[in-house]
Amino acid sequence: AQSVAQPEDQVNVAEGNPLTVKCTYSVSGNPYLFWYVQYPNRGLQFLLKYITGDNLVKGSYGFEAEFNKSQTSFHLKKPSALVSDSALYFCAVRDMDSNYQLIWGAGTKLIIKP
Amino acid sequence: GAGVSQSPRYKVAKRGQDVALRCDPISGHVSLFWYQQALGQGPEFLTYFQNEAQLDKSGLPSDRFFAERPEGSVSTLKIQRTQQEDSAVYLCASSLSEIRGQFEAFFGQGTRLTVV
Repeated sequence: AQSVAQPEDQVNVAEGNPLTVKCTYSVSGNPYLFWYVQYPNRGLQFLLKYITGDNLVKGSYGFEAEFNKSQTSFHLKKPSALVSDSALYFCAVRDMDSNYQLIWGAGTKLIIKP
Repeated sequence: GAGVSQSPRYKVAKRGQDVALRCDPISGHVSLFWYQQALGQGPEFLTYFQNEAQLDKSGLPSDRFFAERPEGSVSTLKIQRTQQEDSAVYLCASSLSEIRGQFEAFFGQGTRLTVV
């Protein structure tokens, strides 16, 4: 069965420090991986995706993510956190060999403290 | 507008009432998805349209849920005889085309449904 795990309910980081939000996945076929961010009372916003090619993917707002096939992970990273990065982050996977549904993690609340 | 638009933003329904939720996708987007998001959870897939064809409705939780996209643009999610467990945020998303490899979906702000 396909699944996505975000092992941390909440991540706390001081402003200016690097941040990592973890995501691991399980699919039977080739994974297409996504990160989305959700601000309060706003819709989900696309950050970045991995489809194929370079394992390091760069996205919006200075975020990047590294696809690691052997560890089945797709961790979200940013070198220097901003207070405005505080939000709810979701990892999602699509198994393109079988269907087009997005399977979502439960989300990680990121809190950046000044 | 440039984004996915959903209406109403908030809906309070009495138990047993029928509701209809509307989604206006981004113009030209072929694919349209409906998701249900419970509080503190990630979205759960409900159904998928490619143009007017409903290719997957495996996520609809019961036969009280019905979705349509008759002209391949605007979509409506209808819930009949609402129950308290239907309370959630209903998200609509669209993407340009699976065929062209434009895989990311763009989401609307959602409709928060509360059944009392």
